[in-house]
Amino acid sequence: GENVEQHPSTLSVQEGDSAVIKCTYSDSASNYFPWYKQELGKGPQLIIDIRSNVGEKKDQRIAVTLNKTAKHFSLHITETQPEDSAVYFCAALQTSYDKVIFGPGTSLSVIP
Amino acid sequence: NAGVTQTPKFRVLKTGQSMTLLCAQDMNHEYMYWYRQDPGMGLRLIHYSVGEGTTAKGEVPDGYNVSRLKKQNFLLGLESAAPSQTSVYFCASSYDRSTPPYEQYFGPGTRLTVT
Repeated sequence: GENVEQHPSTLSVQEGDSAVIKCTYSDSASNYFPWYKQELGKGPQLIIDIRSNVGEKKDQRIAVTLNKTAKHFSLHITETQPEDSAVYFCAALQTSYDKVIFGPGTSLSVIP
Repeated sequence: NAGVTQTPKFRVLKTGQSMTLLCAQDMNHEYMYWYRQDPGMGLRLIHYSVGEGTTAKGEVPDGYNVSRLKKQNFLLGLESAAPSQTSVYFCASSYDRSTPPYEQYFGPGTRLTVT
């Protein structure tokens, strides 16, 4: 079955710097890759996603890149702000299949 | 629109006790899921449902049972709680997988401690 690895497990950056979180997946049939943000005491919330027919997607300060050949995808946050501090999860899914497999998470701290 | 709600928010059980966690969604979603979240292990799928009256096993189903008698509700049961089931439990829902969006909507979580 699918296995998703995520690095780093913790990340600390200065406010205004960029943050990058990387994930790898094992199943070449996976075709949808969402990123979720979990703030303290809350459930995860989708922030951006990418499908396998796209190499990059941007939404304001957030971007995701996908390399299907290498089976890895990354989340890029530019101009980080204290409210970006949270746990971020990557995930992989085959849309013809019912289960989403999540990575173990990255705890991001943005230092003012 | 309340989204996904979970009851209760916190619970402490003694080993061997039973309990039921309730998840409700008001978005008319077909799919519903139960996850557990443990430090360093991300979200692991316990059971899921692809429609009213259906259930299926996820990655870590042992020790749990589920029921989906109504489309809007998904119940997670622990028949005989064990300390290893101490965790934060999240319910989620989504539209079906045939067409986008594929986003899962999560509830606020239930923190369960088994002593």
